[in-house]
Amino acid sequence: DQQVKQNSPSLSVQEGRISILNCDYTNSMFDYFLWYKKYPAEGPTFLISISSIKDKNEDGRFTVFLNKSAKHLSLHIVPSQPGDSAVYFCAELNNAGNMLTFGGGTRLMVKP
Amino acid sequence: DVKVTQSSRYLVKRTGEKVFLECVQDMDHENMFWYRQDPGLGLRLIYFSYDVKMKEKGDIPEGYSVSREKKERFSLILESASTNQTSMYLCASSLQQGSKNIQYFGAGTRLSVL
Repeated sequence: DQQVKQNSPSLSVQEGRISILNCDYTNSMFDYFLWYKKYPAEGPTFLISISSIKDKNEDGRFTVFLNKSAKHLSLHIVPSQPGDSAVYFCAELNNAGNMLTFGGGTRLMVKP
Repeated sequence: DVKVTQSSRYLVKRTGEKVFLECVQDMDHENMFWYRQDPGLGLRLIYFSYDVKMKEKGDIPEGYSVSREKKERFSLILESASTNQTSMYLCASSLQQGSKNIQYFGAGTRLSVL
């Protein structure tokens, strides 16, 4: 059973609108979460992270929200741009701080 | 800039062949990882290494082995390739401590086993 789930395999958004990507996790012991972005023919690149002592972390157009009681995190992209079209993976860091468990990914398509 | 280089972008092999996937990083990172990426399943960890000659099994180690003879190089070995090992393979590296274990990835090797 997957510990990290991204239930939407794809999402289509109009340029300029908000993109919301969701992620659910099962293990409440983990306290650090990351989002990675992957373009075709490239490796994933780190985008943004959040520690469980926070409920929000913002970096430019990207904001990650963490709801610990619901074991849910989300990535908001505002405003969305065509260059944001990619596959987004959420991941949780284990307690030893050395291993990541990834979700299945969500393919975001931002239409001009 | 951290650079993680995978020796091949595309490989085509036959069932039963021994396959080597090579990965080199240039940032003196202690940790190195091998993942496979399949549609809908995300990235699944095969093996990782936290030091030279050290290795730990990930979630799906069956059918794979690894070698880390030098700090900068981490090899994934398929002893006898099978068609269900057709996949995208991604190598990553990270520092042992600090930076909250941000992993830096190579561009990937797409392996097809016929």
